[in-house]
Amino acid sequence: DGGITQSPKYLFRKEGQNVTLSCEQNLNHDAMYWYRQDPGQGLRLIYYSQIVNDFQKGDIAEGYSVSREKKESFPLTVTSAQKNPTAFYLCASSIWASGAGGFNEQFFGPGTRLTVL
Amino acid sequence: EDKVVQSPLSLVVHEGDTVTLNCSYEVTNFRSLLWYKQEKKAPTFLFMLTSSGIEKKSGRLSSILDKKELFSILNITATQTGDSAIYLCAVLRGGNKLTFGTGTQLKVEL
Repeated sequence: DGGITQSPKYLFRKEGQNVTLSCEQNLNHDAMYWYRQDPGQGLRLIYYSQIVNDFQKGDIAEGYSVSREKKESFPLTVTSAQKNPTAFYLCASSIWASGAGGFNEQFFGPGTRLTVL
Repeated sequence: EDKVVQSPLSLVVHEGDTVTLNCSYEVTNFRSLLWYKQEKKAPTFLFMLTSSGIEKKSGRLSSILDKKELFSILNITATQTGDSAIYLCAVLRGGNKLTFGTGTQLKVEL
């Protein structure tokens, strides 16, 4: 079955520790995205990647880092510099839309709920 | 700063009711407006609206965009308990980047 997987489903970490969230897709999509969802704030874009070995900051990149060494994988590291890391993290992927008229639907994974103790 | 505002933040209705969810936006480089349904985890795509005044329909759901007044509505007729979810509005900016609203939490009771 094609789709996006995120692991783990729930993650707990102590304050001051870095933690890495996994996102894998087998849809052969070029583009991948990380969003954060807080209650009452909707989804906010953290980082996105249009192609392997390239990624761009989104709206709230501070305290996060990513890598894109393989097309299928886009791991997100939440560093100790992120002041309020407790949130629900969603990964998505799509065909990359180039040009003014293109859009390709973003498919979302099931999410990882991170809690900082 | 780009902004997408949804209202109401939450509502509770009874099965069979009709509901209207609102989304207003102020963004640069507007390309399209999208609606998603989020039941438990992953949001699922409902509609994409690019042109004003053209209604999109899918079963009991419909949506329309007004680019002059910068808003969209999502209508759900004859609501069912399975419609209970968070409904997210998002605006597509340059590239394939989305700016999401806060969402409307809909609960449909028997």
